[in-house]
Amino acid sequence: GQQVMQIPQYQHVQEGEDFTTYCNSSTTLSNIQWYKQRPGGHPVFLIQLVKSGEVKKQKRLTFQFGEAKKNSSLHITATQTTDVGTYFCSYNNNDMRFGAGTRLTVKP
Amino acid sequence: DAGITQSPRHKVTETGTPVTLRCHQTENHRYMYWYRQDPGHGLRLIHYSYGVKDTDKGEVSDGYSVSRSKTEDFLLTLESATSSQTSVYFCAAWTGTWGFFGQGTRLTVV
Repeated sequence: GQQVMQIPQYQHVQEGEDFTTYCNSSTTLSNIQWYKQRPGGHPVFLIQLVKSGEVKKQKRLTFQFGEAKKNSSLHITATQTTDVGTYFCSYNNNDMRFGAGTRLTVKP
Repeated sequence: DAGITQSPRHKVTETGTPVTLRCHQTENHRYMYWYRQDPGHGLRLIHYSYGVKDTDKGEVSDGYSVSRSKTEDFLLTLESATSSQTSVYFCAAWTGTWGFFGQGTRLTVV
């Protein structure tokens, strides 16, 4: 069935560096969501993208949905220690499914 | 996030015993979900519900059943717990534009 692959699985950056995680699907997605989960916490919704080529920004976070609606990315500019956590993409065809996540660690 | 309460938050049970986890929402959302989270596997969908008495299987449904007799409550039952079901279980709901999760239940099967 439909599934999304997330890369990389892990990313370690120095504070101030940029970070990008990618979510790829072999089939067209009707929508994509991004969540953040802090260590020991629960996933927290960040954003939903539904339009081809859509770009949305939240402060230092930039979210993109590909033109073919088969991939998406989350880019963080100038990472901070508060960005630490695992970032998940998901898609929702009523059965909300998640990628495996990218775990971000930030060295001060 | 506000609106979903999971109970219990922690549970230790013995192999072979039945276990029921409860998810309660206060906001009348139609769609609710149960996930398990294990290291290296992200969030895997167990079962979901799209209304009272309307449920469907997810990707890891074997050994689990669910019930939804009221909009606000979504129950997950492990009929006969096994050690492989030791995990953190999350309940979630979908508003139509965003999803929100409960705090999670840490279940240990010994």
